[in-house]
Amino acid sequence: NAGVTQTPKFRVLKTGQSMTLLCAQDMNHEYMYWYRQDPGMGLRLIHYSVGEGTTAKGEVPDGYNVSRLKKQNFLLGLESAAPSQTSVYFCASSYSTAQGLQPQHFGDGTRLSIL
Amino acid sequence: AQSVTQLGSHVSVSEGALVLLRCNYSSSVPPYLFWYVQYPNQGLQLLLKYTSAATLVKGINGFEAEFKKSETSFHLTKPSAHMSDAAEYFCAVSAPRAGNMLTFGGGTRLMVKP
Repeated sequence: NAGVTQTPKFRVLKTGQSMTLLCAQDMNHEYMYWYRQDPGMGLRLIHYSVGEGTTAKGEVPDGYNVSRLKKQNFLLGLESAAPSQTSVYFCASSYSTAQGLQPQHFGDGTRLSIL
Repeated sequence: AQSVTQLGSHVSVSEGALVLLRCNYSSSVPPYLFWYVQYPNQGLQLLLKYTSAATLVKGINGFEAEFKKSETSFHLTKPSAHMSDAAEYFCAVSAPRAGNMLTFGGGTRLMVKP
């Protein structure tokens, strides 16, 4: 059981380039999330999804797009990378039960540098 | 709207000493509260959670936290620090609504001195 897997783990881009970060979970979770982590700011939510085919904006969505075509995958895209998007990106997933909302499970992160 | 404030971006304790990491929150509805730990170059692992049951919550690795509504606090404690506790700790709040979105504090880096 791999949990939440993020690819790639590291990437260096030039300003203006595009790329897609992939998140895959094998726990059949309904909810998936993309965060960015910057020093002293904790994690901030970029976009999230409450189910296959649905996405919504989080706290810092500008410059990013997402897609959830399959329940197990959540893609984060940067169409035109900027140095301000240099960060560590985390994907997470979670689910609900009759007992309520369950904690989020996190991947190991993707370190992205924009030159 | 929700927010989380973690007092002290860096905390240093001696091995065997009490660990106290502070977290205050604001939420317009009764919150769910979480503490996560992050070891270097890894993702976040859940330490413990509060979801409106017992106010004193016990987690993994000997950590516990107490929900105090009157103080809007959810401080994390451990009676005796171990070298392996050195990591970054994040407090987070979630409102029990669609999306289960978490709002994180800025994090506290715990250093343990031998």
